[in-house]
Amino acid sequence: EAQVTQNPRYLITVTGKKLTVTCSQNMNHEYMSWYRQDPGLGLRQIYYSMNVEVTDKGDVPEGYKVSRKEKRNFPLILESPSPNQTSLYFCASSWVGSGYEQYFGPGTRLTVT
Amino acid sequence: KNQVEQSPQSLIILEGKNCTLQCNYTVSPFSNLRWYKQDTGRGPVSLTIMTFSENTKSNGRYTATLDADTKQSSLHITASQLSDSASYICVVTFSGGYNKLIFGAGTRLAVHP
Repeated sequence: EAQVTQNPRYLITVTGKKLTVTCSQNMNHEYMSWYRQDPGLGLRQIYYSMNVEVTDKGDVPEGYKVSRKEKRNFPLILESPSPNQTSLYFCASSWVGSGYEQYFGPGTRLTVT
Repeated sequence: KNQVEQSPQSLIILEGKNCTLQCNYTVSPFSNLRWYKQDTGRGPVSLTIMTFSENTKSNGRYTATLDADTKQSSLHITASQLSDSASYICVVTFSGGYNKLIFGAGTRLAVHP
């Protein structure tokens, strides 16, 4: 089954404790992206990757890191999480032939205390 | 500035009624406009996609229209069902030199019995 998976789905952590949210897709898509969603603000892009070893900042990259060492994986790293990073995070993948239709993962709800 | 604005912010309708959601954008140039449906706590799913040369696109009870001259799009839902309760997000792909997705904040629709 074609899908985007994220882990963990739920995470409660404390300020400053480094964490990684994994994202994997099995559709051989070249484009992957991370979004955060907060009430009233809609989806905001954090980082995106056009292909392996090619990443770029989205609209709200501060406090986040990403890497794209393999085509299927695109982990999101929070080196020193803060409470303002409490949010619902979505990973998505797409390909240019689809007009960049985003295939979203199930989401990761992160709470930083 | 490239922006996508949606209205209304929220909407309540009775089951069986029709409704229309609006999307105004200032993105230029753009390659396509897509409407997504997002159920609470889940990732968005694409409903329709239209290129700049298309005027209308249907997907079951969902019909999207596009007026590239006035930079307006609408999503019309016919004979609403309880399962239509969700957020609807308009996304425009900016194509000026690179492809970037511009997201609207969404319209939250509640269908009541």
